[in-house]
Formats: sequence, structure tokens, C-alpha cells
Amino acid sequence: DAGVIQSPRHEVTEMGQEVTLRCKPISGHNSLFWYRQTMMRGLELLIYFNNNVPIDDSGMPEDRFSAKMPNASFSTLKIQPSEPRDSAVYFCASSRTGNTEAFFGQGTRLTVV
Amino acid sequence: GIQVEQSPPDLILQEGANSTLRCNFSDSVNNLQWFHQNPWGQLINLFYIPSGTKQNGRLSATTVATERYSLLYISSSQTTDSGVYFCAVEYSTLTFGKGTMLLVSP
Repeated sequence: DAGVIQSPRHEVTEMGQEVTLRCKPISGHNSLFWYRQTMMRGLELLIYFNNNVPIDDSGMPEDRFSAKMPNASFSTLKIQPSEPRDSAVYFCASSRTGNTEAFFGQGTRLTVV
Repeated sequence: GIQVEQSPPDLILQEGANSTLRCNFSDSVNNLQWFHQNPWGQLINLFYIPSGTKQNGRLSATTVATERYSLLYISSSQTTDSGVYFCAVEYSTLTFGKGTMLLVSP
């Protein structure tokens, strides 16, 4: 299996622009997670899907952030409008169910200038 | 929410030395994983270990769920072991500790 695939690997955008991050989970995995990593806050969960349904979005920082999972093999995290404080590495992870081993993608390094 | 504390926060070793990293957590958990984040930022799965002991080469891990801690042992460390080691526990969702930053010098 190719593992969790994220795109793009790097994104540099100007403040105010819309940013869309993409994730393809491991085939057969029913749970998908979006995490954000910063020096100040470490790795924090943004949102968790199970069977394509958002289960816990309490970590989504504000209305500028939205996430969708239209089918079992694709998810997006959108930031609109982006701000410099959104600069971070965004990771997507998947697991077979909610309580089994999670595997992470290589991350998207976002820089908002 | 659940609290995850890792110690030490930083560790410097000479190549060939052994080390023990600790993870304490504040509540019962369904799942515990150890990850290594390499200098390129990749999060690499080391162990999925809700309880018991596992070994993989020079690395081993022990989780004592009833006492709410887990230990990661690195033996005969190599420079390629450098990076950040994270413990993550699952109660409802996977919560990460702040990590232990390890530097192994030649």
C-alpha cells in the first residue's frame, strides 16, 4: 500500500487567499484525522472523520477552517481566508477504525505570507 | 481532556549509548503509539502498544496500562535515531505528548 498520501507537500500563499489541502487515506481505513503541528502547540487534532462523517471537529480553530470527506478515499481541509498564523505543517492520518493503529502522511508545510 | 507528559524533553547521547524515554498519561486509554519524527518531518510508526512489551531491533517498548505509563528503550543508539519521539494515546481520539528531542552524536 502507498500509505497516506497528502498534497501538496509545500504550499506558500499570500494572506487572504484560499488554501486547500488534500488527503488520500489508506485503502480500507474507515477513520481519518487532520492534525496541525506548530512549535508552540505541538501536534493538535483538528477534525476526525469516521466512515466519511465528521465525528469531532472541536479542534478546528475557527470558521475559516473547513473539512470535507466526500468519499472513503478523499478528504480536503480548506482555509479561507488564510492568515500568517495558519502557517504550520498539516498532517492527515488514517486508521482501520477509531481505536486501532494510525498512520500518518508526509504532511503539507503551509506558509502564509 | 487526557494529559500526556513525556520525559525528558531533550536528550543528547553519544553513539552507542542506551536510553529510556518515558510517557505518562492521566487516564485509561484504548491505544498507545510511539512515533519517531525524523529530521525531514516524517512521522514514522514505531510501536502500537496499548499494553505489554514489544521489541523491534534495537528498540523496545513497554506499556503498563494500569499504572498509566509507557517506556521506549533505545539501545546502541545511532546517529539516524536523532529526531523527536512522540507518545500518543487514544481515549476518544489520539492525543500527542510534546515529544522528546533526541540528538545522537558520532
